[in-house]
Amino acid sequence: AQTVTQSQPEMSVQEAETVTLSCTYDTSESNYYLFWYKQPPSRQMILVIRQEAYKQQNATENRFSVNFQKAAKSFSLKISDSQLGDTAMYFCALFETSGSRLTFGEGTQLTVNP
Amino acid sequence: ETGVTQSPTHLIKTRGQQVTLRCSSQSGHNTVSWYQQALGQGPQFIFQYYREEENGRGNFPPRFSGLQFPNYSSELNVNALELDDSALYLCASSLPPGQGKTEAFFGQGTRLTVV
Repeated sequence: AQTVTQSQPEMSVQEAETVTLSCTYDTSESNYYLFWYKQPPSRQMILVIRQEAYKQQNATENRFSVNFQKAAKSFSLKISDSQLGDTAMYFCALFETSGSRLTFGEGTQLTVNP
Repeated sequence: ETGVTQSPTHLIKTRGQQVTLRCSSQSGHNTVSWYQQALGQGPQFIFQYYREEENGRGNFPPRFSGLQFPNYSSELNVNALELDDSALYLCASSLPPGQGKTEAFFGQGTRLTVV
């Protein structure tokens, strides 16, 4: 069964600095996708970034980038130039193309301090 | 383009009652998934609907059931409510697996409290 682990329940960073959130996963599939979602207090889950397992190049979206280490089954999120609006719960999620579900980690609460 | 909308946003029910939650999928999306998110935890997959049929189910008892309608909207029904059913229920819509785009877009959720 697929699993996703986020070992950092809480993190904090100063505004304008860089922070990295960690995620490890386990799957027996070769074809899958990994995601980072952000959930602010408004509760809506917002897609931050997406990585296809077959792509070696790390995904980037503006200030957000990932470090995808397929052999180590590691998928970390780097947020550069942190902004107050980045304060939220961040979830790492795995989608196996043979299935129908997203498997989420436990989440990391990120606080950006002014 | 309309996003995913869920109703109601908040709901309080008594143990043993039944509840129906509703979800309208994003325009063009014909696949709807439901997730349960207990306080302080990550979402857990309940089930998915595609072409009005259940297409995958998580580890939830049969008293959790669903429907999908021809317009792709969906309902989640929970019978015989238990206190542990108190959670945020999230609906997500997506294109069906195999169509390249795998992103799931979420609604704002329904906060269910069972007392």
